[in-house]
Amino acid sequence: EAGVTQFPSHSVIEKGQTVTLRCDPISGHDNLYWYRRVMGKEIKFLLHFVKESKQDESGMPNNRFLAERTGGTYSTLKVQPAELEDSGVYFCASSQDLGWGAFFGQGTRLTVV
Amino acid sequence: QKEVEQNSGPLSVPEGAIASLNCTYSDRVSQSFFWYRQYSGKSPELIMSIYSNGDKEDGRFTAQLNKASQYVSLLIRDSQPSDSATYLCAVNGADSWGKLQFGAGTQVVVTP
Repeated sequence: EAGVTQFPSHSVIEKGQTVTLRCDPISGHDNLYWYRRVMGKEIKFLLHFVKESKQDESGMPNNRFLAERTGGTYSTLKVQPAELEDSGVYFCASSQDLGWGAFFGQGTRLTVV
Repeated sequence: QKEVEQNSGPLSVPEGAIASLNCTYSDRVSQSFFWYRQYSGKSPELIMSIYSNGDKEDGRFTAQLNKASQYVSLLIRDSQPSDSATYLCAVNGADSWGKLQFGAGTQVVVTP
C-alpha cells in the first residue's frame, strides 16, 4: 500500500511568486492534515480536512495560504504571494480515524529567496 | 510555556543500553499521545501510540503514560545504531482531536 506522497520534494521560488504543493493521502483515509516546520522550530499544525471539508484551519498563518481538497482525495496547499518567512518543510499527513496517529509524507522543502 | 516539552539532547546511549526519553504536556484534557521517529531529512514515522495510563510495549519500545503528572515517556531497550534519530512526542490538541501538537524532539545518538 502506498504511503502519503507529496510533490514536489523541493521548491525554490522568489518572494512574491506563487507555489502549489500537492499531497496524496493513503487511500481510504478521510482525514488529511497539513503541518509545517520552520527552521529551528517544532512541527506546527496548519489545517485538517475531513474528506473535502475543512475541519480545523486554526493553524493557517494568514490569507496568503489556501488549502483545498476537492473530491476528498488529494489536497493542494497554495502560497500566494510567497514571503521569506514561508520557507520551511511542509508535511502532509493522513489518518483513518480521529485520535489515531497520523502517517506523514516525506515533506516539501520550500525555500523562498 | 510550550504545550509539549522535550529535552533537545543529544542523548548519547551506548549500544545495547536503554534509552529513556521524556515528554511533558500542558493540557490536562489531552487523550492521545504518540511517539514519532525522524531520521535526518526524512518524514516523521509513527512508532508508538498510547491512550491509557500505564505502560504499552511494542518490541523494543515501551511507552509510559501518567496523565496525573502530565508526562509520557519512551524507553528503547537494547539500543542499536539504527535507533539514532530524533524522537518527537506528539499530543492531540484539547480543542481538536485531529490536531497534533509536537515537541521539538530529542536527538538520540547510539554509540557502538
